Amino acid sequence: QKEVEQDPGPLSVPEGAIVSLNCTYSNSAFQYFMWYRQYSRKGPELLMYTYSSGNKEDGRFTAQVDKSSKYISLFIRDSQPSDSATYLCAMNPGGNKLVFGAGTILRVKS
Amino acid sequence: EAQVTQNPRYLITVTGKKLTVTCSQNMNHEYMSWYRQDPGLGLRQIYYSMNVEVTDKGDVPEGYKVSRKEKRNFPLILESPSPNQTSLYFCASRPGGRIVETQYFGPGTRLLVL
Repeated sequence: QKEVEQDPGPLSVPEGAIVSLNCTYSNSAFQYFMWYRQYSRKGPELLMYTYSSGNKEDGRFTAQVDKSSKYISLFIRDSQPSDSATYLCAMNPGGNKLVFGAGTILRVKS
Repeated sequence: EAQVTQNPRYLITVTGKKLTVTCSQNMNHEYMSWYRQDPGLGLRQIYYSMNVEVTDKGDVPEGYKVSRKEKRNFPLILESPSPNQTSLYFCASRPGGRIVETQYFGPGTRLLVL
């Protein structure tokens, strides 16, 4: 069983929709939870991170962590075609290790 | 411009022929790392380096070597490539602080081993 599970999609939504992207994990030692965005033929870029449980908001993006359920989410409000990308969750159990999910392909149609 | 560069971007080689993928960053970052990305498996860390002459294994180090003789460079060496090393490789760097410091990724190197 993978430490981090993420539905690969693709997830296709109309412009303006609210998007929900999710990851589940099995390692209760994970402390930091991150979301990366990867455009086609590019390297990933960090969108946002949270520490422990709770919500964090940054513009149209909200990251949510539920450690009791071992479940994290990224919400995108008012989605735009420019949000079309692969979204990767990543988690840190401490130290310098990062464990990534497989990524969810998101397509926002105009 | 702050960036991580990788070369080559595309490489086709044959089993057993040693190759090196170079990685260079111009941000004076202490931490550098190599990942491979495969469909359905996401990014997996191969090796990382906390500073010059300090390297450590990630999750999938078998078949790879690295060195960190200069702060800006972190080459990935495949001494005897095999077809299961066909993948998309990313180099990344970040300041040496917390893991959540923004990690800058290079553009990727697509490797095919025949």
